[in-house]
Amino acid sequence: DGGITQSPKYLFRKEGQNVTLSCEQNLNHDAMYWYRQDPGQGLRLIYYSQIVNDFQKGDIAEGYSVSREKKESFPLTVTSAQKNPTAFYLCASRKDRILQETQYFGPGTRLLVL
Amino acid sequence: AQSVTQPDIHITVSEGASLELRCNYSYGATPYLFWYVQSPGQGLQLLLKYFSGDTLVQGIKGFEAEFKRSQSSFNLRKPSVHWSDAAEYFCAVGTTSGTYKYIFGTGTRLKVLA
Repeated sequence: DGGITQSPKYLFRKEGQNVTLSCEQNLNHDAMYWYRQDPGQGLRLIYYSQIVNDFQKGDIAEGYSVSREKKESFPLTVTSAQKNPTAFYLCASRKDRILQETQYFGPGTRLLVL
Repeated sequence: AQSVTQPDIHITVSEGASLELRCNYSYGATPYLFWYVQSPGQGLQLLLKYFSGDTLVQGIKGFEAEFKRSQSSFNLRKPSVHWSDAAEYFCAVGTTSGTYKYIFGTGTRLKVLA
């Protein structure tokens, strides 16, 4: 079955450490997205990529970085510059940037700070 | 600026009762509107979407939503709620200028009483 996988389900970060969240999709989608979800704040866009080897900052990109070397993969790195990383992170993809296409979400990764 | 407001943070209904979740948007052009549902600790699933045409939209799981341009609203309804509908519901508007991204509301958590 096609879908989006995110790993790990839970991730723990120590002070000063960079951590990478994995997002893989086998839907052959061009566009991929990373969101951060905090209680009572809905979903906020971190980064997005509409095609391989290209990505743009979203609304809250500071302290995060991404890469898009393959169509299937869009990993997110939470750097030590992100001072409040504890949140639920959701990856999503869409066939292309056109809004009529359905945006599908992965199951999420919960990041906790030790 | 574009925005989405879900005025009800929590809603509790009895099983079998009707449900209406409110969503108001602020967007200058014709909006692309979406409702998603999220079970605890999971990703989001699309319930329905509106782009144009008939203002009453049917979705999955027996949900429907009505677009009212004069009220800038896109309220979600279900005639008879099931216990399995307990979840968090997010309204979103898609922006067609530039980034083609979604703006999400802060969500409404639905509790269903047996």
